[in-house]
Amino acid sequence: GAVVSQHPSRVICKSGTSVKIECRSLDFQATTMFWYRQFPKQSLMLMATSNEGSKATYEQGVEKDKFLINHASLTLSTLTVTSAHPEDSSFYICSAVGVGTDTQYFGPGTRLTVL
Amino acid sequence: GNSVTQMEGPVTLSEEAFLTINCTYTATGYPSLFWYVQYPGEGLQLLLKATKADDKGSNKGFEATYRKETTSFHLEKGSVQVSDSAVYFCALILGGKLTFGQGTILTVHP
Repeated sequence: GAVVSQHPSRVICKSGTSVKIECRSLDFQATTMFWYRQFPKQSLMLMATSNEGSKATYEQGVEKDKFLINHASLTLSTLTVTSAHPEDSSFYICSAVGVGTDTQYFGPGTRLTVL
Repeated sequence: GNSVTQMEGPVTLSEEAFLTINCTYTATGYPSLFWYVQYPGEGLQLLLKATKADDKGSNKGFEATYRKETTSFHLEKGSVQVSDSAVYFCALILGGKLTFGQGTILTVHP
């Protein structure tokens, strides 16, 4: 139980294009999903908190117009990196929290490379 | 604010050695505590958790006890295997937000 998937697992794109990453909770309903960014050999940095049916809450320093988050259903949240640049290259990881719990279950991550 | 401090790595051990990774925390309330493990190129997997003082979380031979008096949640395993090589993250959750430690790289040699 408590499986979270991400798609794609790896994406390479050209500078200036937009990339969408999906995060799905496969066997539970997630009222809240989180998006993290991880640089090589570093810890995870929380980017935003996404609640189903409402606007995402972004952490300080994260550009909401650049990292668009949509949490359209209780099992799906998407992160769109708009007008991507090489400095956006990173490992993006989502997590999901089920109803009545505080445990976050993580997806396998998406490796984004912007050329 | 809340923070988590882990012992600095990398930690290198021989197979069947005893493992301890220290973790201490600072929190403004009463958090739940977690250990996550990350294998190369993958996301994080929940290893174990404890929700209140004196609780012991355990999984796959790993254990950690929530010590409120020392604000610690040290990870231990009696006999490590090569397959335990990974990055280990200590974390706390308070107000719905996870705060991670910096991660400790563990390498186990045959």
